[in-house]
Parts: sequence; C-alpha cells; structure tokens
Amino acid sequence: GAVVSQHPSRVICKSGTSVKIECRSLDFQATTMFWYRQFPKQSLMLMATSNEGSKATYEQGVEKDKFLINHASLTLSTLTVTSAHPEDSSFYICSLVGHNQETQYFGPGTRLLVL
Amino acid sequence: GESVGLHLPTLSVQEGDNSIINCAYSNSASDYFIWYKQESGKGPQFIIDIRSNMDKRQGQRVTVLLNKTVKHLSLQIAATQPGDSAVYFCAENKETGANNLFFGTGTRLTVIP
Repeated sequence: GAVVSQHPSRVICKSGTSVKIECRSLDFQATTMFWYRQFPKQSLMLMATSNEGSKATYEQGVEKDKFLINHASLTLSTLTVTSAHPEDSSFYICSLVGHNQETQYFGPGTRLLVL
Repeated sequence: GESVGLHLPTLSVQEGDNSIINCAYSNSASDYFIWYKQESGKGPQFIIDIRSNMDKRQGQRVTVLLNKTVKHLSLQIAATQPGDSAVYFCAENKETGANNLFFGTGTRLTVIP
C-alpha cells in the first residue's frame, strides 16, 4: 500500500476565514491525489482529482474558487477552503493511487469545524 | 443514473460468526471494485479489491464475491471479531480504466461480544 498523512487532523475556524489542509504521501510519489468530503453518517463524496503540475479536475457541484487545490509536488497536495462557512464543516479526506494505478489509499482525514 | 448502494445499512453479528455485507451497483462499465473499512473518525482502510474478470477473491479472513450478471458485490468476513466493528463501503471506478472511485452508502457492522 501507500502511507498517507494529513495535517491538521482537526481545525476550528471562524466563519469567513480560510483553512489549508495538507495531504502528504510518505512513501510513494503520487502523480494523482483525490480529495473527498464526508458529512456525518454519510458516504465519501469525491470533490476533485489533483494532478501534479496541472489544474485539478473538480466534480460537478464543487466550486473550484472556494476549494483551491494545489498539487505542487509528487508528495504534497493541499486543499484550501476559502471564506469558510458553517456548512463547510465536514471531514475532509485525501487519497492517492498506488503502484497499480487503481487502488486508492486514504489519509486519516481532517475534521473541519467552522463557527 | 450510476449508483452504488447497499442492501442493509446496519448489521449486527455475534463474535465468531461469519458476516456478509452486500452491495449493488448499476454501472456496467465499472471493471474494478474495492471494499474499504472505516472506523470512527478515521480515513477508509483498504480491505480487498476485485476486477470484473474475476468472480471471487480471498484475503485474510475476507472474501469478495462479484456477480456481474446481477451487478452484485459482497464481502464475507470469517470469524468476525470485535475489531471488525466499523462502517464498510464498497466502491467502484466510474468507468472502465478510470481511477476515480464512486462510493456506496456504507454498512455499519457491529460485533456483539
């Protein structure tokens, strides 16, 4: 598999502020990373696909100007929630594709609470 | 439209019994399926995967069965243990050869000691 870390593990912020979440691949160079959002008692919803060195591909209904994704290196992708609002409070999880280019390995997630 | 769903939202089993978690999918173009386990407050953990050219695949205490005729996927856990208590998700690739996944709604497995 692949080892994926996220930072921070949890964050509380005021409404209107921006929050950056980091996703790191610790043992694998990942050209593709994914960002998911998970609300309580619900499934994972894919937000965007992050490709190293190029613009991210966003899923329908996800605002690219609100959820900024930067995949500047093969081991780091960041998700910035801009002008966060209480409805953005959720569990944000990143993943990357392993050597077989199909199996996704997930990070531990970041719990965001917007007050 | 495309969907991956589960027949049962919750499942309770006695410790030591076998568990079977089911999943239905509707996208005939999917050719890769994965089962994940998610414990509370953590990211999903890979359990086992299967390609559409296979009907069955076994791992350690787990078996995945794929029935392409009825678009049905199941996860069997042998000798279920308290540590198996979690939410289990099936996931499929959105289209043949694609590596972005579409997740089902999840089944919560509770193991009774």
